[in-house]
Amino acid sequence: AQSVTQLGSHVSVSEGALVLLRCNYSSSVPPYLFWYVQYPNQGLQLLLKYTSAATLVKGINGFEAEFKKSETSFHLTKPSAHMSDAAEYFCAVSTNTGTASKLTFGTGTRLQVTL
Amino acid sequence: ETGVTQSPTHLIKTRGQQVTLRCSSQSGHNTVSWYQQALGQGPQFIFQYYREEENGRGNFPPRFSGLQFPNYSSELNVNALELDDSALYLCASSPTGTNTEAFFGQGTRLTVV
Repeated sequence: AQSVTQLGSHVSVSEGALVLLRCNYSSSVPPYLFWYVQYPNQGLQLLLKYTSAATLVKGINGFEAEFKKSETSFHLTKPSAHMSDAAEYFCAVSTNTGTASKLTFGTGTRLQVTL
Repeated sequence: ETGVTQSPTHLIKTRGQQVTLRCSSQSGHNTVSWYQQALGQGPQFIFQYYREEENGRGNFPPRFSGLQFPNYSSELNVNALELDDSALYLCASSPTGTNTEAFFGQGTRLTVV
């Protein structure tokens, strides 16, 4: 079964500092990987997705993620954190069940940005 | 182009009652999935509907059921509510095909007392 593991339930960075949120995947087939962001009392918004076209994926709001097969990782980064980046971030892998695709999510990482 | 909308946004029910949550999919999307997100957890897949048929189901009991209508909107029904059913219920729509990205609504916060 495909799964993702997010290391660190809470990450705190200073405004302007590098953001690094970790995600490792387990998959017997080439995975389709996603990062979503959730602001308080909101649904999920797609930040970026990996679909094997390129290993470095650029997303919205200055975020990017690099797919590393040798490390089974898909870490999310942003060079300079902004206060508005404070939110919950979820890594997810798409799993095919016949004609359906479902997302299997990690447990999430809460990003805190301090002045 | 309208996004995914869910109603109601908040709901309080008593244990043992039944509840219906509604979702309108994004324009052009014919696949709808439902997820349950307990407090402090990642979303868990409940089931998916495609062309008005259930097209995949997660590890949820039969008292969780759904419908999809010809306009691709969907309902999630939960019977015999339990306290543990308290969660944020998220609807996601996606276009035809596998491994396509899912677009989420803002969710319905269900509290069972």
